[in-house]
Amino acid sequence: NAGVMQNPRHLVRRRGQEARLRCSPMKGHSHVYWYRQLPEEGLKFMVYLQKENIIDESGMPKERFSAEFPKEGPSILRIQQVVRGDSAAYFCASSLNGQSPDTQYFGPGTRLTVL
Amino acid sequence: GENVEQHPSTLSVQEGDSAVIKCTYSDSASNYFPWYKQELGKGPQLIIDIRSNVGEKKDQRIAVTLNKTAKHFSLHITETQPEDSAVYFCAASSNTGGFKTIFGAGTRLFVKA
Repeated sequence: NAGVMQNPRHLVRRRGQEARLRCSPMKGHSHVYWYRQLPEEGLKFMVYLQKENIIDESGMPKERFSAEFPKEGPSILRIQQVVRGDSAAYFCASSLNGQSPDTQYFGPGTRLTVL
Repeated sequence: GENVEQHPSTLSVQEGDSAVIKCTYSDSASNYFPWYKQELGKGPQLIIDIRSNVGEKKDQRIAVTLNKTAKHFSLHITETQPEDSAVYFCAASSNTGGFKTIFGAGTRLFVKA
């Protein structure tokens, strides 16, 4: 029973390039959450998606960041024109039904480095 | 907005001693409280959780207590081992304005051998 999968695990981009981070939820889960974590800091909520819908994007910057969770395939967090401040670990989590109590299970993360 | 406060931010204990991490939450409608352990370079892993209709839950060396009146919950680790060294996050979930999980800022636990 595979857990949440994220790829790539490490991503290096130069300033101005695009970064695409992928997340495959646990089998049977249709709710996906993205978090950002800076070194030595906590988890900052970015966006919550259900299949084909964005439920809550209150934590995501309005510019350069977008997220999708298509009917088929993984969820994608896209960062356009990356800047050094985007360097962080990005974690994806998934859950079963999107209503508390509902457990979020995390993936291993993608560590983005912007040169 | 809603928030979860977690203390202490750093905790150092001797191997074999107990460790206690405390959290308070602001949304009285919170009904689910998971705890996660994050090791270096890895994603957070669920270690124990408690629902609002229960006051205490135990799983081997770890236990969690919940005081709904005070909006306070705690993680207790007994007989600590060096492999318990990690960052621990508490969280509180509710359906207020839609499903939301708010995380504490984390506690870095060091267990000295």
